[in-house]
Amino acid sequence: GAVVSQHPSRVICKSGTSVKIECRSLDFQATTMFWYRQFPKQSLMLMATSNEGSKATYEQGVEKDKFLINHASLTLSTLTVTSAHPEDSSFYICSAKAGSSNQPQHFGDGTRLSIL
Amino acid sequence: DQQVKQNSPSLSVQEGRISILNCDYTNSMFDYFLWYKKYPAEGPTFLISISSIKDKNEDGRFTVFLNKSAKHLSLHIVPSQPGDSAVYFCAASDQGGKLIFGQGTELSVKP
Repeated sequence: GAVVSQHPSRVICKSGTSVKIECRSLDFQATTMFWYRQFPKQSLMLMATSNEGSKATYEQGVEKDKFLINHASLTLSTLTVTSAHPEDSSFYICSAKAGSSNQPQHFGDGTRLSIL
Repeated sequence: DQQVKQNSPSLSVQEGRISILNCDYTNSMFDYFLWYKKYPAEGPTFLISISSIKDKNEDGRFTVFLNKSAKHLSLHIVPSQPGDSAVYFCAASDQGGKLIFGQGTELSVKP
């Protein structure tokens, strides 16, 4: 099946640090990649949608200058949390989708971000 | 405004019996529905999906039923196995492809 790799799986860093998370589709070309955030005991909340070669579309309430998304190729998208603070601590998950609308999104294993 | 709702946070089932997980949605523009299984500290794993033009899709032990008039879908797992214990999320999307997730139901299958 489709494989999505997300790296790193866990990050612990000091407040003010910028953190980059990578999402790669290993065996298919992802025309669209998505970034989600999950708080404990809650659902996955979509943060932004990115299409290769174009600017990401952010959901309401998500700061685009805080969460920088780059989708430079059909197999790689990155999320950079800039100047992270403790309230940014969360579980971040990416997904990737090939082709047109009715295709499932395939998810990475997520990144646990802890800001001290 | 929760567009996709899973009203049961948990479900406990005996091994070998049927597990039925339910999901309701409010947006009539949703045309594609999916179920994902998730273990702690891992990303969701795709299980099964259904298009709005169908009312049933079956894959092995997993069957998804869609009732468009009631805006309700369900996932049936039969027979349930201890390895099925996980959190199950239903999700819905419209033509734009964005997924809206329910809150999840934690399934526990007891031997």
